[in-house]
Amino acid sequence: EVQLVESGGDLVRPGGSLRLSCAASGFTFSRHWMYWVRQAPGKGLVWVSRIYSDGTTTEYADSVKGRFTTSRDNVKDMLYLELNSLRAEDTAVYFCGRAAMITVGSVIATPIDYWGPGTMVTVSS
Amino acid sequence: EIVLTQSPGTLSLSPGERVTLSCRASQFVSNSYFAWYQQKAGQAPRLLIYGASTRATGVPERFSGGGSGTDFTLTISRLEPEDFAVYYCQQYGSPPNSFGQGTKLEI
Repeated sequence: EVQLVESGGDLVRPGGSLRLSCAASGFTFSRHWMYWVRQAPGKGLVWVSRIYSDGTTTEYADSVKGRFTTSRDNVKDMLYLELNSLRAEDTAVYFCGRAAMITVGSVIATPIDYWGPGTMVTVSS
Repeated sequence: EIVLTQSPGTLSLSPGERVTLSCRASQFVSNSYFAWYQQKAGQAPRLLIYGASTRATGVPERFSGGGSGTDFTLTISRLEPEDFAVYYCQQYGSPPNSFGQGTKLEI
């Protein structure tokens, strides 16, 4: 059974830092791109970041570029999100997600087919 | 950045009705990189449709996706009580990826 479990969410002061983790199990982690998506209280989903299977390529939303860093450990089956220079508007539930990696003709489709339950990050003084 | 605009924001419907949700992209999106998700209160999202029209594993046949280019739709042929939730579209092609703002289906 595929499982994703986030941890590390906390209350942090503006300007502070935090490291989120996502433990993966039940699938071959090293074969899948992985995502971070966030959701502010009562708001919609916002794409944060994506990392390729081997970790060599990472992509970020403009709102977090230069402040957040996504990484992965394919030996420990772990995904990470380093959050720096945190702002009040970063307050949200942070979800990790697995890219499906479905081959459709010559294309590999990467929608998010499994999600963790999320971890709450609150940025407040 | 591709902006996805969903309409309407909220729909009030009854079980048994048919509904079509809309998602418009600010620029071309390949069908291969378009998805729909369902999210219920307090839960993580659930993948419904990928590749614009392919149902994900375990998704009932009453859900169907369509459209191409900049205009995409999600149709639920006959609403069940468990379908009342928030629905999001997503493009997962070139970064930055993006989600629509969501459409809430309420009873």
